[in-house]
This record gives sequence, structure tokens and C-alpha cells, in this order.
Amino acid sequence: KAGVTQTPRYLIKTRGQQVTLSCSPISGHRSVSWYQQTPGQGLQFLFEYFSETQRNKGNFPGRFSGRQFSNSRSEMNVSTLELGDSALYLCASSLPGLARQDTQYFGPGTRLTVL
Amino acid sequence: AQSVTQLDSHVSVSEGTPVLLRCNYSSSYSPSLFWYVQHPNKGLQLLLKYTSAATLVKGINGFEAEFKKSETSFHLTKPSAHMSDAAEYFCVVPYSGAGSYQLTFGKGTKLSVIP
Repeated sequence: KAGVTQTPRYLIKTRGQQVTLSCSPISGHRSVSWYQQTPGQGLQFLFEYFSETQRNKGNFPGRFSGRQFSNSRSEMNVSTLELGDSALYLCASSLPGLARQDTQYFGPGTRLTVL
Repeated sequence: AQSVTQLDSHVSVSEGTPVLLRCNYSSSYSPSLFWYVQHPNKGLQLLLKYTSAATLVKGINGFEAEFKKSETSFHLTKPSAHMSDAAEYFCVVPYSGAGSYQLTFGKGTKLSVIP
């Protein structure tokens, strides 16, 4: 079974631009979550989608948004990029349950550099 | 609110010696707890998880962790370190509630293995 895939793997943008990152979950997984990883803040939860609906959102400004399609693929968008948005963005997928023991499977991430 | 604290940001061991990575948790109820590993330029991989069954949990690659409620700890151990264990390790507490699911990560412990 193929794992979680993320595209592109690397991106370089300039301040003020916008960017869209894509995530394809493991087949059969309907929950997709996004995390931001930076050296200073560590791993922080961005949002979670299930059946095309955002179920939860972390403490990030409105410039960060996402969506999920009917095939469970997800995209996240960051508008008006700032230097501090430079990070590794990780996508994770899991089965649809809300149980606390659900395993999230992570993709390799998209490395975003904002100049 | 649930949280985890990883007590060491960096641990260095010699190849063949034991590994101990420390994690304390804070929760108002008995939590589930996970350990994830991240190799350089890779995504996160689940090592093991505690879900209120056996308190001693065995994971992949010879790692194990013991849930100790009296000490609010979930330390990760391995009897003998290999060079391939060099990576960053994250103690994680999952949260599910109000129709959502997310992971809260510790700050991470970078493990170096000296040949």
C-alpha cells in the first residue's frame, strides 16, 4: 500500500506570494491533518480534515487555509507569505475514527523556504 | 489540557550502549502516548504507542517504553544503540474531543550515536 505522498517536496517563494501544497493520503484513510515544523516552535498542528470538512484548526492566522476533496486528497494554502512561514509542512493521514489511539501516518513533508 | 515534556533536547551515546530518552506527560486522565522518530530529511514514523493496555510497550527496531502513572512518565529505551538510530525522537500525546483529533508533540530529543 502506498504511503502518504506530498508534492512538491521543496519550494522557494518570496515574501508576499502565496503557495499551495498537496497531500495524498493512504488509500482508505479519510482523515488528513497538517503540521508545521520549525526549529524554534517544533511541530505544531495546523488543521484536520475529514470528509471534506475541517474538524479542527490550530492556532495559526487566517492566511493558512486548507481543503479536502472527495477522494480525501488535501491541499493547504498559505497566502501573503512571511519569512517566518519557512518550515517543513507535514501531512498525516489516519483512518476515520476519533479514538485516542488512532495512528497518524506521515508523509515526507514539503520544505518551504520564503525569501 | 494535555502536554508532554521531553527532558533532554540532545542525547549522545556510544554504539552498543543503552539508550534512554525521557518523556513526562501532563493529563487529567490516563492518556494514550506515542513515540515517533524522524530521520534527517524524512517524515515521522511511529515507533510505538501506549493505549492503556500493557504498560510496557514494545515497538519497532528494538525500542520499548514503559508507562508509569505514578511518575507520569513514558521513557523510551533500547538496550543497544545502532548507528542507524541516530535521529530525532518525539513523545506525542493524541487528543480527541469535540469531533476532532490532533497530536501534540514534545520538543524532540536528538539522538547522536558515536561509533
